[in-house]
Parts: sequence; C-alpha cells; structure tokens
Amino acid sequence: DVKVTQSSRYLVKRTGEKVFLECVQDMDHENMFWYRQDPGLGLRLIYFSYDVKMKEKGDIPEGYSVSREKKERFSLILESASTNQTSMYLCASSWGGGHQPQHFGDGTRLSIL
Amino acid sequence: DQQVKQNSPSLSVQEGRISILNCDYTNSMFDYFLWYKKYPAEGPTFLISISSIKDKNEDGRFTVFLNKSAKHLSLHIVPSQPGDSAVYFCAASARSNQGGKLIFGQGTELSVKP
Repeated sequence: DVKVTQSSRYLVKRTGEKVFLECVQDMDHENMFWYRQDPGLGLRLIYFSYDVKMKEKGDIPEGYSVSREKKERFSLILESASTNQTSMYLCASSWGGGHQPQHFGDGTRLSIL
Repeated sequence: DQQVKQNSPSLSVQEGRISILNCDYTNSMFDYFLWYKKYPAEGPTFLISISSIKDKNEDGRFTVFLNKSAKHLSLHIVPSQPGDSAVYFCAASARSNQGGKLIFGQGTELSVKP
C-alpha cells in the first residue's frame, strides 16, 4: 500500500517566519505534488515535481518554493509566512507515465498568526 | 478560470437511496477523470476513475458516468451508506499534462442520513 507521510499534522507559526513542510513517499513514485485546500475552493496546486531536482509551478505558486533533492522527499517552503497562507496543505505522489491516480498524505493544518 | 466545477457544495441523501454527485468541465483536452473521497482530518483517497474512451465505469456500489458531448461526469453511489458521508472531489487530467497534473473541482459534501 502506498504511504505518503507529512511531517506534521498541525503547525502554528508567526507572520514572517520561514516555514518548511516535509513530505515523504515510500513507493518510488516519480511525481510529487503540493496542494492547499480551502473551503469552497477545492484543492489548488501549488507546485509539482516529475523528477529529482525538477520542479514546476502550479496554479498558485506565489509565496512558496519547493525542494526535491531525493526522489522520495518533496519539501514545501513558505519563504515569509503570511496570514493568508493559513490553510490545509496536502502532499501527493503518483507514478510517472500515462494517467495515474495520485495518493495523498493526511495533510498539515497550518495556522499563521 | 475554473476548468472543473462541482456546482453543488452539499448533498443530503437518505441511507439506502442513490447519491448522485455531478461535475462539469470546460477543457476538451481532458481525457481522464477521477473521483476522490475525503474525510475530515484525512487526505483524499482515490475512489474510481474513467478514461474518455469509455462512458461508464463501475466498482461495487460506485459508478462513474461520462458524457463527453456535455462535458459532464457524475458519480452514483447505490445504495448510500452513512459511512459514505464525506467530501467528494472530481478531478481531470489531459495526457499532454506533464507530471500527471490533475485539476480538481471545489468538492461536494455528501451527508447520508440513517
């Protein structure tokens, strides 16, 4: 069974802090994704990566960056946290090539005060 | 520009009856569609998918229907059970999307009442 693990379930940070969210998958998936989920807006893609050291902007990349130094790990970085980045953050992974479902972690509920 | 839309934020159904969740899309390049189910405090879990070469796919109590001409898909759950109460997201992908990128709808919260 695919396991996608996000390092924290709940996180509280202050405005202006640099915040790191970590995600690890154990299925050797090529693709990894970061989303945020907000009420009424569904899941919006922030960044994704289809290979080590590769990254692509999603629909809402502003204020975020990512790092993928190893295949199994994909980090989301909030460079200078702001209150409008308070949200549920979800990491996902999938096989490369063709259409494949994405497998999600349980999410990190991030609050920026 | 919302390419995948779920126009009903919520749906309430009696246990044992049919639940029908709807999803519309605008991009004619989409050729693969998925439904995910999400419980509170958990990540979405993959439920069922359909390729654009089909118009129906079944898996137990869950059936997805695709109407390409109307750019519409629906998820039927029959019979509905209280454990089906969750938020349901539809998602779409185009083969040209690098990295398996999915576009998600806003979600529909299903409540199945005993």
